[in-house]
Amino acid sequence: DAGVIQSPRHEVTEMGQEVTLRCKPISGHNSLFWYRQTMMRGLELLIYFNNNVPIDDSGMPEDRFSAKMPNASFSTLKIQPSEPRDSAVYFCASSFRGSGLYNEQFFGPGTRLTVL
Amino acid sequence: DAKTTQPTSMDCAEGRAANLPCNHSTISGNEYVYWYRQIHSQGPQYIIHGLKNNETNEMASLIITEDRKSSTLILPHATLRDTAVYYCIVRVAGSGGSNYKLTFGKGTLLTVNP
Repeated sequence: DAGVIQSPRHEVTEMGQEVTLRCKPISGHNSLFWYRQTMMRGLELLIYFNNNVPIDDSGMPEDRFSAKMPNASFSTLKIQPSEPRDSAVYFCASSFRGSGLYNEQFFGPGTRLTVL
Repeated sequence: DAKTTQPTSMDCAEGRAANLPCNHSTISGNEYVYWYRQIHSQGPQYIIHGLKNNETNEMASLIITEDRKSSTLILPHATLRDTAVYYCIVRVAGSGGSNYKLTFGKGTLLTVNP
């Protein structure tokens, strides 16, 4: 089992540039989560998808952030334009939501984003 | 979500049992206790969860007090690779409302020493 796959693992960009982070969830999982981790704020949930539909995007910091899930095996998180304060590690996680139950979340290795 | 309280850091000798405490005095009857850990530069990893009975799996044991106000995660034979931040999280496991949320606090940094 390959687990959750994220790419790129590291991204260095300049302020104002567009950044796209990618995630492939575990096959068979129907829930996908994007998190951001910084020293100051810890791990924060940005957005949650269930069956490819965004359910909760209340954690998305501002309109510069957008996320899509065009199919069950792929999701993107886009930042446009990027700013230095967006520098963080971004994690994707997936899980299976069954009838009456949210199962444990499996996290990817993360993308370390540095905006200069 | 009920809040949890964990020590900031702990040390453990390699090969000894690591006992990580967590207080969750405001836990509700339908809330589970979950443990995750995060090894440096990796994503969080699920360890174990329980409602009121003690649980054991290949990674750890979870002991929940009878009043459910606190719990202890036990790593029976800690290794250097167990050095990580350990998060204790309480949440409702049912699929309604916002139960999908995992609220990570600051956790406990466990350092396993040779």
